[in-house]
Amino acid sequence: DIQMTQSPSSLSASVGDRVTITCRASQGISNYLAWYQQKPGKIPKVLIHGASTLQSGVPSRFSGSGSGTDFTLTISSLQPEDVATYYCQKYNSVPLTFGGGTKVEIK
Amino acid sequence: QVQLQESGPGLVKPSGTLSLTCAVSGASISSSESNWWSWVRQPPGKGLEWIGEIYHSGSTNYNPSLKSRVTISVDKSKNQFSLKVSSVTAADTAVYYCARQFGGPVDYWGQGTLVTVSS
Repeated sequence: DIQMTQSPSSLSASVGDRVTITCRASQGISNYLAWYQQKPGKIPKVLIHGASTLQSGVPSRFSGSGSGTDFTLTISSLQPEDVATYYCQKYNSVPLTFGGGTKVEIK
Repeated sequence: QVQLQESGPGLVKPSGTLSLTCAVSGASISSSESNWWSWVRQPPGKGLEWIGEIYHSGSTNYNPSLKSRVTISVDKSKNQFSLKVSSVTAADTAVYYCARQFGGPVDYWGQGTLVTVSS
């Protein structure tokens, strides 16, 4: 099975900072990669699919890039409401594996 | 608006079988040609784990790590689908989510239900 590795596992940044989260697949998955945001005590919400397609209603400060094995989620200007854990998920084939998550906090 | 709602026992004894049902409203499982319906779980304080998925035809796919213990089924007449996990242990304690997938990613989630495995 393809493994999904996220880094870092946690980060602390200031409001307005640019934040980058990385997701690496153990084998190529083309662009079959989604990113989710899960706020504390809430259900996950899809932010990006197809590695770079922003889901409707998601703020434009979120962006995704990458293809093959290496992907990034970028928050261009971190806001207080972005405090959450972020997960990547591959969906080129089953099982639809999630990454381990990246917890984002405000410094 | 699509809504999913999990139901089932919140407490299961070790070695028993966990059974949950997901009632779907605002969409028809039978006519959702582009959707698969899935289960995802999240142990307390930990990450997300995809359990498996079912299509309206009854076709299923499971996570190999759980495949020997998991069964997902669909009841189109009731517009719901179900999860069974057998031989449960404390490691199966988690919030269980039912979800709708659109070509892979999840666009709608249930609110989740905590299932605790304990005697």
